[in-house]
Parts: sequence; structure tokens; C-alpha cells
Amino acid sequence: QQKVQQSPESLSVPEGGMASLNCTSSDRNFQYFWWYRQHSGEGPKALMSIFSDGDKKEGRFTAHLNKASLHVSLHIRDSQPSDSALYFCAASRPGYQNFYFGKGTSLTVIP
Amino acid sequence: NAGVIQTPRHKVTGKGQEATLWCEPISGHSAVFWYRQTIVQGLEFLTYFRNQAPIDDSGMPKERFSAQMPNQSHSTLKIQSTQPQDSAVYLCASSGDSQNTLYFGAGTRLSVL
Repeated sequence: QQKVQQSPESLSVPEGGMASLNCTSSDRNFQYFWWYRQHSGEGPKALMSIFSDGDKKEGRFTAHLNKASLHVSLHIRDSQPSDSALYFCAASRPGYQNFYFGKGTSLTVIP
Repeated sequence: NAGVIQTPRHKVTGKGQEATLWCEPISGHSAVFWYRQTIVQGLEFLTYFRNQAPIDDSGMPKERFSAQMPNQSHSTLKIQSTQPQDSAVYLCASSGDSQNTLYFGAGTRLSVL
């Protein structure tokens, strides 16, 4: 059973548009969440982490966490073609270093 | 800092042969992780080490797969008697910062014919 679910599977947005990605967990022990981004031919790279309820903003990227509903989202404003990649949500439990990943959302930004 | 280094980048084996994948973590990082990536399953956790000790291998197939970390500068993932379903990208990551951020290598693409 997949512990971390992501939606949508794929997403296309125009350049300059807003992209919204979603992630939910089925495990209430998960408390820490990350977003990773993977460009073709590379390994995933960490975008940002969020551990507390509410919003966290880093440049054009904003993550939102609601622990009660185990839902985390990532919003990318002013999307650029270079943002085209596979985006993963990852979760972990307190006291554990192990991470569980979702299957990813493929984002395409159309010039 | 060269990042996490994985070798080889591509490996082709025949069915039933052995494959050994290598990972050199970032110097000073205390944890090393192995993941397997396929289109169908996404990123699957296999195993991880902390300070060279195996901590969690719950994702490892019980037969044919083994991982070791003989010293702090490298880890290996060995797959015996490879099968076509083992074809995947195998990713190694290390972690050593306060937020446990994973730093991934570029991966080894294993193709079993």
C-alpha cells in the first residue's frame, strides 16, 4: 500500500502560470514532509521541507501543510519551462530517518 | 563537493547474472539510503545505514538483494541472479544535515535482458 499519494499524476501549465501539486498520507505517524524535484537523467533534489501547519514560502514556491488532514501541497507561481520536471512528496516519522515517497507528479510548463 | 557519486551510470546484465552497484556518499554524511525507481512503482525505499550500521532494510526483497557499507566512504548494493523485473534506476542518497535532507546521486540504470 502506497503510504504517500500524489495528485495529479501529470500537469501542464502555461509559462507564467500557477502550478498546484497535492500530496496526502495514510499514516498519521508522518510529521515531516519534503518536496523533491527530479529533472530527466538526474537524481531528485530537495526543494523545500515543511514541518509545521501553515504555509512556507521560498521564492516562487509555497508549501502548505495541514497535519490534521495529512495533506501537503506545493504551489509554484510564475512557472518557468525549467520547472518542467517530476515532483515528489516525501514523508517521515519522528525519530526515523527513513523517507517514504509518492509516485510523483510530472509537471510540464508550456512556453 | 562532488555530491553523491554512483557507478556505473548504466549496467546491462543477462538474466541470472550478478550486478553490483556502488555509491560514494557526501563526505561527512552519516546516513546512506538506497532507493529503486520505476515508472510503475515510483521511488521505493530499499534500505539505509547510519554510521555504517544497517538500520532498516524493510524494503529489500528478501532473496537476491543485499547491501553493505564496509566503510564511511562507500556502500554497495548487490543483486544476485538478476531478473528482468529488477530493471530499474537504483538511487543512492546520503544525509547529514539537521533536517535530514536527502542528497541523491544521479542513479544507476540497471537493464536485465
